[in-house]
Amino acid sequence: DIQMTQSPASLSASLGETVSIECLASEGISNDLAWYQQKSGKSPQLLIYAASRLQDGVPSRFSGSGSGTRYSLKISGMQPEDEADYFCQQSYKYPLTFGSGTKLEIK
Amino acid sequence: QVQMKETGPGLVQTTQTLSVTCTVSGFSLTSYGVHWVRQAPGKGLEWMGIIWGDGSTNYNSALKSRLSISRDTSKSQVFLTMNSLQTDDTAVYYCAESWFAYWGQGTLVTVSS
Repeated sequence: DIQMTQSPASLSASLGETVSIECLASEGISNDLAWYQQKSGKSPQLLIYAASRLQDGVPSRFSGSGSGTRYSLKISGMQPEDEADYFCQQSYKYPLTFGSGTKLEIK
Repeated sequence: QVQMKETGPGLVQTTQTLSVTCTVSGFSLTSYGVHWVRQAPGKGLEWMGIIWGDGSTNYNSALKSRLSISRDTSKSQVFLTMNSLQTDDTAVYYCAESWFAYWGQGTLVTVSS
């Protein structure tokens, strides 16, 4: 199985600050990487797919980048509604696997 | 408008079998797959398996011996069945469409002895 190592496990940011979350795959995943946001008590919401493509309706302050084994999610200008858990997921090989998550809080 | 909703038993005894139903609207099960993903309390996401539009399935190898995913296309329903439950199967069980753009609200299943 492909292991997804996500960092940091937790993060606090001030409003307006730019934050980055990273995922490292145990092997190359050819940009088959998605990012999800999950607010407390809610279902995950797809933010980014194919490493850098923004899902419809997702604010443009969210962006994804990376290649090979290293991928990152950037939030340019933290907003109150961005306080949530974030997960990466690879879809290059089955079984699909998720990162362990990053808890993002407002400082 | 795509909608997905899981219904489950809430509480299941250890060693028993879990059955969860995902009812979908807004798309055809013969055209799109449906994934099952679970999340133990306070933990991360675990992919369980998928039933594809052609009815074929892929399962997480860690669960494959206990897991079955099936469907009734006439009712737009997908079924998750998992046997030999243990307390660490306690989780919120989600269904999601094949591209993960749409998810159900999830159903909490508690496994108790």
